Amino acid sequence: DAKTTQPNSMESNEEEPVHLPCNHSTISGTDYIHWYRQLPSQGPEYVIHGLTSNVNNRMASLAIAEDRKSSTLILHRATLRDAAVYYCILIDYGGSQGNLIFGKGTKLSVKP
Amino acid sequence: DSGVTQTPKHLITATGQRVTLRCSPRSGDLSVYWYQQSLDQGLQFLIQYYNGEERAKGNILERFSAQQFPDLHSELNLSSLELGDSALYFCASSARTGITGELFFGEGSRLTVL
Repeated sequence: DAKTTQPNSMESNEEEPVHLPCNHSTISGTDYIHWYRQLPSQGPEYVIHGLTSNVNNRMASLAIAEDRKSSTLILHRATLRDAAVYYCILIDYGGSQGNLIFGKGTKLSVKP
Repeated sequence: DSGVTQTPKHLITATGQRVTLRCSPRSGDLSVYWYQQSLDQGLQFLIQYYNGEERAKGNILERFSAQQFPDLHSELNLSSLELGDSALYFCASSARTGITGELFFGEGSRLTVL
């Protein structure tokens, strides 16, 4: 699976939008972009995923660059509960057994 | 609640000992994954089982082994424990068929080796 690059940490204020970037310049055409987050003392949880088009769900939005070499996870109004480590992961469904390879992720801090 | 159950939640043992961690996947999920998370290594994929058979292997030490039983629960066995094995061990399960990239993680088993 192709490599991703994320900032080590970011800070946000509560109730403000947060844009978490991810670079994946070596992404292949069949790689899906997945985001997971890990709250303190919990297991990772799925947030959102996409292939080419922007995606929205109840937790977040995923904006994918036209050339797919980068993507941004958008939390529209950060809450204290959103403080977590966010992981951007690429998965080739056809070439994978389904296991996720986690990088170091971005640690998001949310200030009241 | 992800639907994945891991026991025990906490375990303290001594070097050289052997422990078994247990995982019950979401109802009907055929794939089970084991991950280790230590402070310096982050989340490391150990091993995956699908319907009782080993499907993929990651950075799993020879002292560690796993299996998935006919009822689909899985056990991770850690032997000859060393101080460096202290970590959080997560189990995850995934969709009943195919690959979707969506794994459901349990709350983890925290192992402390003294």
